[in-house]
Amino acid sequence: DVKVTQSSRYLVKRTGEKVFLECVQDMDHENMFWYRQDPGLGLRLIYFSYDVKMKEKGDIPEGYSVSREKKERFSLILESASTNQTSMYLCASSLAGEGNQPQHFGDGTRLSIL
Amino acid sequence: KQEVTQIPAALSVPEGENLVLNCSFTDSAIYNLQWFRQDPGKGLTSLLLIQSSQREQTSGRLNASLDKSSGRSTLYIAASQPGDSATYLCATTGTASKLTFGTGTRLQVTL
Repeated sequence: DVKVTQSSRYLVKRTGEKVFLECVQDMDHENMFWYRQDPGLGLRLIYFSYDVKMKEKGDIPEGYSVSREKKERFSLILESASTNQTSMYLCASSLAGEGNQPQHFGDGTRLSIL
Repeated sequence: KQEVTQIPAALSVPEGENLVLNCSFTDSAIYNLQWFRQDPGKGLTSLLLIQSSQREQTSGRLNASLDKSSGRSTLYIAASQPGDSATYLCATTGTASKLTFGTGTRLQVTL
C-alpha cells in the first residue's frame, strides 16, 4: 500500500513565523501535490511537482513556496505565516502519467496561526 | 475553469438503505473522475477511479458511473452501514494531473 506521511497532525504557529510542512511518500511516485482544505471551499491546489527540483503553481500559490530536493519528499513553506493561512493542509502523490493515475493522500496537518 | 458540484451537501439514511450521491462538472474534457472518502480529521481515501473512456467502476458495495457528455457522475452505495458514515468527495482530473474537487456530501447512516 502507498504510504504518504505528513510530519505533523497538528501545528500551532505565530503570525510572521516561517513554517515548514513536510510530506514523504514511500512508493517512488513522480508527482506530489499540496492542497489546503477549508469549510465551504473544499480542497484547493497550492503547488505541485512532477520531479525533483521541479515545481508548478496551483490555484492558490500566494504566500507559499515549495521545495523538492529528493523524490520522496515535498515540503510546503509559509514564508511569513498569516492568520488566513489557518487551515487543513493535505499532501498527495501519484505515479506519472497524464491524469490516469489515482492520487494518494496523507492524513493532513491541521495548522493554526495565532 | 472546471467547477464541480455535489448535491446534497448532507444526507442521513437508516442502515440498510441503498443510496446515490451525485456529482456534476462543467468541463467534460477530463481524464478521469475519482471518488474519495474522508473521515473527520483525516486525509482522503481513494474509493474508485473512472477513466474518461469508461462508464462505470465497481468495488464491493460501491458502484460509480460516469456520463461525460452530460457532466455527471453518481456513487451508488448498496446496503448502507454505520461504518459508511463519512464525507464523500468527487474530483475530476484535468491537464497536468490536476484535480478539481467538489465540496463533498456528508453522509450519516443511522442504526
